[in-house]
Amino acid sequence: ETGVTQSPTHLIKTRGQQVTLRCSSQSGHNTVSWYQQALGQGPQFIFQYYREEENGRGNFPPRFSGLQFPNYSSELNVNALELDDSALYLCASSLVLSGDETQYFGPGTRLLVL
Amino acid sequence: AQTVTQSQPEMSVQEAETVTLSCTYDTSENNYYLFWYKQPPSRQMILVIRQEAYKQQNATENRFSVNFQKAAKSFSLKISDSQLGDTAMYFCAFMNPVNTGNQFYFGTGTSLTVIP
Repeated sequence: ETGVTQSPTHLIKTRGQQVTLRCSSQSGHNTVSWYQQALGQGPQFIFQYYREEENGRGNFPPRFSGLQFPNYSSELNVNALELDDSALYLCASSLVLSGDETQYFGPGTRLLVL
Repeated sequence: AQTVTQSQPEMSVQEAETVTLSCTYDTSENNYYLFWYKQPPSRQMILVIRQEAYKQQNATENRFSVNFQKAAKSFSLKISDSQLGDTAMYFCAFMNPVNTGNQFYFGTGTSLTVIP
Protein backbone atom coordinates (compact mmCIF):
# COMPACT_ATOMS: atom_id res chain seq x y z
CA GLU A 1 0.00 0.00 0.00
CA THR A 2 1.47 3.32 -1.09
CA GLY A 3 1.15 6.24 1.31
CA VAL A 4 0.44 9.87 0.55
CA THR A 5 3.26 11.61 -1.27
CA GLN A 6 3.81 15.30 -1.97
CA SER A 7 6.13 17.28 -4.20
CA PRO A 8 8.21 19.28 -3.99
CA THR A 9 9.46 19.03 -0.41
CA HIS A 10 10.66 22.62 -0.31
CA LEU A 11 9.97 25.66 -2.44
CA ILE A 12 11.08 29.28 -2.40
CA LYS A 13 9.07 31.90 -4.27
CA THR A 14 8.84 35.67 -4.32
CA ARG A 15 5.81 37.77 -3.57
CA GLY A 16 3.36 37.96 -6.48
CA GLN A 17 4.44 34.69 -8.06
CA GLN A 18 2.30 31.62 -8.54
CA VAL A 19 2.97 28.13 -7.17
CA THR A 20 1.65 24.61 -7.79
CA LEU A 21 1.95 21.89 -5.20
CA ARG A 22 1.23 18.25 -5.95
CA CYS A 23 -0.15 15.33 -4.00
CA SER A 24 -0.65 11.65 -4.72
CA SER A 25 -3.26 10.05 -2.53
CA GLN A 26 -2.94 6.74 -0.75
CA SER A 27 -3.99 3.84 -2.95
CA GLY A 28 -7.71 3.13 -2.69
CA HIS A 29 -8.59 6.59 -1.39
CA ASN A 30 -11.01 8.85 -3.25
CA THR A 31 -10.74 12.17 -1.42
CA VAL A 32 -7.95 14.68 -0.99
CA SER A 33 -7.87 17.53 1.51
CA TRP A 34 -5.36 20.36 1.69
CA TYR A 35 -4.24 22.14 4.84
CA GLN A 36 -2.00 25.09 5.59
CA GLN A 37 0.12 24.84 8.73
CA ALA A 38 1.82 28.04 9.84
CA LEU A 39 4.81 27.74 12.13
CA GLY A 40 3.75 26.73 15.63
CA GLN A 41 0.11 26.30 14.66
CA GLY A 42 -2.27 23.48 13.91
CA PRO A 43 -3.25 22.75 10.31
CA GLN A 44 -5.99 24.94 8.82
CA PHE A 45 -8.35 23.45 6.26
CA ILE A 46 -8.08 24.96 2.78
CA PHE A 47 -10.41 22.71 0.75
CA GLN A 48 -11.28 19.14 -0.12
CA TYR A 49 -11.77 17.37 -3.44
CA TYR A 50 -14.03 14.40 -4.02
CA ARG A 51 -14.81 12.96 -7.44
CA GLU A 52 -12.81 15.75 -9.05
CA GLU A 53 -14.95 18.50 -7.55
CA GLU A 54 -14.44 20.83 -4.61
CA ASN A 55 -16.31 19.39 -1.65
CA GLY A 56 -15.89 21.97 1.06
CA ARG A 57 -13.70 25.02 1.54
CA GLY A 58 -12.19 26.76 4.52
CA ASN A 59 -11.65 30.46 5.04
CA PHE A 60 -9.15 30.97 2.24
CA PRO A 61 -9.38 33.46 -0.65
CA PRO A 62 -10.08 32.42 -4.26
CA ARG A 63 -6.41 32.74 -5.19
CA PHE A 64 -6.11 29.33 -3.51
CA SER A 65 -7.47 26.83 -6.01
CA GLY A 66 -7.14 23.16 -6.68
CA LEU A 67 -7.71 20.22 -8.94
CA GLN A 68 -8.30 16.52 -8.51
CA PHE A 69 -7.48 14.14 -11.33
CA PRO A 70 -9.16 10.82 -12.30
CA ASN A 71 -6.41 8.91 -10.50
CA TYR A 72 -7.32 10.90 -7.34
CA SER A 73 -4.05 12.84 -7.28
CA SER A 74 -4.42 16.55 -6.66
CA GLU A 75 -2.85 19.96 -7.12
CA LEU A 76 -2.99 23.06 -4.98
CA ASN A 77 -2.42 26.32 -6.83
CA VAL A 78 -1.76 29.62 -5.15
CA ASN A 79 -1.72 32.82 -7.21
CA ALA A 80 -0.33 36.24 -6.29
CA LEU A 81 1.72 34.88 -3.42
CA GLU A 82 1.90 36.91 -0.23
CA LEU A 83 4.45 36.74 2.56
CA ASP A 84 1.83 35.22 4.88
CA ASP A 85 1.49 32.27 2.53
CA SER A 86 4.78 30.97 3.89
CA ALA A 87 3.84 27.73 5.62
CA LEU A 88 3.86 23.96 5.49
CA TYR A 89 1.20 22.70 3.09
CA LEU A 90 -0.20 19.31 3.95
CA CYS A 91 -2.19 17.00 1.77
CA ALA A 92 -4.34 14.27 3.29
CA SER A 93 -6.29 11.50 1.62
CA SER A 94 -9.23 9.48 2.84
CA LEU A 95 -11.93 7.11 1.68
CA VAL A 96 -15.14 9.01 2.16
CA LEU A 97 -18.32 7.06 2.97
CA SER A 98 -16.28 4.03 3.97
CA GLY A 99 -17.09 4.22 7.66
CA ASP A 100 -13.47 5.14 8.35
CA GLU A 101 -13.16 8.87 7.97
CA THR A 102 -9.52 9.00 8.99
CA GLN A 103 -7.34 11.30 6.93
CA TYR A 104 -3.81 10.15 6.17
CA PHE A 105 -1.25 12.86 5.69
CA GLY A 106 1.68 13.33 3.38
CA PRO A 107 5.03 14.76 4.49
CA GLY A 108 4.13 18.26 3.34
CA THR A 109 5.64 20.96 1.16
CA ARG A 110 7.46 23.78 2.93
CA LEU A 111 6.79 27.03 1.04
CA LEU A 112 8.79 30.16 1.73
CA VAL A 113 7.65 33.43 0.15
CA LEU A 114 10.24 36.21 0.05
CA ALA B 1 -18.18 26.64 13.97
CA GLN B 2 -16.31 23.85 15.63
CA THR B 3 -13.38 24.71 17.85
CA VAL B 4 -10.70 22.51 19.37
CA THR B 5 -8.64 23.69 22.33
CA GLN B 6 -5.38 22.27 23.58
CA SER B 7 -4.44 24.21 26.69
CA GLN B 8 -0.98 22.73 27.19
CA PRO B 9 1.48 24.22 24.67
CA GLU B 10 4.40 22.20 26.08
CA MET B 11 4.78 19.16 28.28
CA SER B 12 7.59 16.88 29.33
CA VAL B 13 7.71 13.42 30.82
CA GLN B 14 10.40 11.07 32.02
CA GLU B 15 11.02 8.01 29.94
CA ALA B 16 8.83 5.06 31.05
CA GLU B 17 6.41 7.37 32.88
CA THR B 18 2.82 8.21 31.96
CA VAL B 19 1.61 11.52 30.60
CA THR B 20 -1.83 12.88 29.73
CA LEU B 21 -2.49 15.49 27.07
CA SER B 22 -5.70 17.49 27.26
CA CYS B 23 -8.15 18.45 24.54
CA THR B 24 -11.56 20.06 24.66
CA TYR B 25 -13.87 20.84 21.79
CA ASP B 26 -17.03 22.75 21.14
CA THR B 27 -19.81 21.41 18.96
CA SER B 28 -23.56 21.14 18.85
CA GLU B 29 -23.39 17.95 16.83
CA ASN B 30 -24.10 14.52 18.27
CA ASN B 31 -22.29 12.36 15.74
CA TYR B 32 -18.64 13.09 15.10
CA TYR B 33 -15.13 11.70 15.21
CA LEU B 34 -12.14 12.68 17.30
CA PHE B 35 -8.51 12.03 16.54
CA TRP B 36 -5.07 12.43 17.98
CA TYR B 37 -2.25 12.92 15.52
CA LYS B 38 1.48 12.95 16.18
CA GLN B 39 3.85 15.15 14.21
CA PRO B 40 7.52 14.33 14.89
CA PRO B 41 10.26 16.78 13.96
CA SER B 42 10.41 15.13 10.52
CA ARG B 43 6.94 16.70 10.18
CA GLN B 44 4.79 13.87 8.73
CA MET B 45 1.50 13.76 10.59
CA ILE B 46 0.75 10.25 11.87
CA LEU B 47 -2.54 8.99 13.26
CA VAL B 48 -2.23 7.92 16.89
CA ILE B 49 -5.80 7.04 17.81
CA ARG B 50 -9.39 7.78 16.81
CA GLN B 51 -12.72 7.73 18.63
CA GLU B 52 -16.26 7.68 17.29
CA ALA B 53 -18.57 9.80 19.43
CA TYR B 54 -21.33 7.17 19.41
CA LYS B 55 -19.02 4.64 21.08
CA GLN B 56 -18.99 4.84 24.85
CA GLN B 57 -15.90 2.67 25.17
CA ASN B 58 -12.64 4.58 25.19
CA ALA B 59 -10.30 3.74 22.32
CA THR B 60 -6.93 2.16 23.02
CA GLU B 61 -3.93 1.47 20.80
CA ASN B 62 -1.10 -0.28 22.60
CA ARG B 63 0.44 2.35 24.93
CA PHE B 64 -2.02 5.04 23.83
CA SER B 65 -5.51 5.43 25.25
CA VAL B 66 -8.09 8.16 25.43
CA ASN B 67 -10.48 9.40 28.07
CA PHE B 68 -13.54 10.52 26.11
CA GLN B 69 -16.06 12.48 28.12
CA LYS B 70 -18.84 13.39 25.67
CA ALA B 71 -20.93 15.49 28.02
CA ALA B 72 -17.88 17.50 29.05
CA LYS B 73 -16.64 17.63 25.45
CA SER B 74 -13.25 16.42 26.57
CA PHE B 75 -10.89 14.06 24.77
CA SER B 76 -7.58 13.50 26.55
CA LEU B 77 -4.74 11.26 25.39
CA LYS B 78 -2.81 9.10 27.83
CA ILE B 79 0.61 7.79 26.84
CA SER B 80 1.87 5.00 29.06
CA ASP B 81 5.48 3.83 29.34
CA SER B 82 6.69 6.91 27.42
CA GLN B 83 9.48 6.31 24.95
CA LEU B 84 12.00 8.70 23.41
CA GLY B 85 10.29 8.24 20.06
CA ASP B 86 7.12 9.75 21.49
CA THR B 87 8.77 13.17 21.41
CA ALA B 88 6.65 15.16 18.96
CA MET B 89 3.87 17.67 18.52
CA TYR B 90 0.48 16.15 19.28
CA PHE B 91 -2.65 17.52 17.66
CA CYS B 92 -6.22 16.85 18.65
CA ALA B 93 -8.71 16.97 15.77
CA PHE B 94 -12.49 16.96 15.36
CA MET B 95 -14.55 15.95 12.34
CA ASN B 96 -18.28 15.81 11.69
CA PRO B 97 -18.90 14.03 8.38
CA VAL B 98 -22.40 15.35 7.84
CA ASN B 99 -22.24 19.07 8.47
CA THR B 100 -18.60 19.95 7.93
CA GLY B 101 -17.85 17.97 4.78
CA ASN B 102 -15.17 15.79 6.34
CA GLN B 103 -13.20 18.89 7.26
CA PHE B 104 -10.86 18.34 10.17
CA TYR B 105 -10.58 21.03 12.85
CA PHE B 106 -7.26 20.94 14.66
CA GLY B 107 -6.11 22.32 17.96
CA THR B 108 -2.91 24.34 18.27
CA GLY B 109 -0.96 21.33 19.46
CA THR B 110 1.02 20.19 22.49
CA SER B 111 4.78 19.78 22.20
CA LEU B 112 5.76 16.69 24.16
CA THR B 113 9.35 16.00 25.14
CA VAL B 114 10.33 12.63 26.60
CA ILE B 115 13.35 13.01 28.83
CA PRO B 116 15.83 10.12 29.07
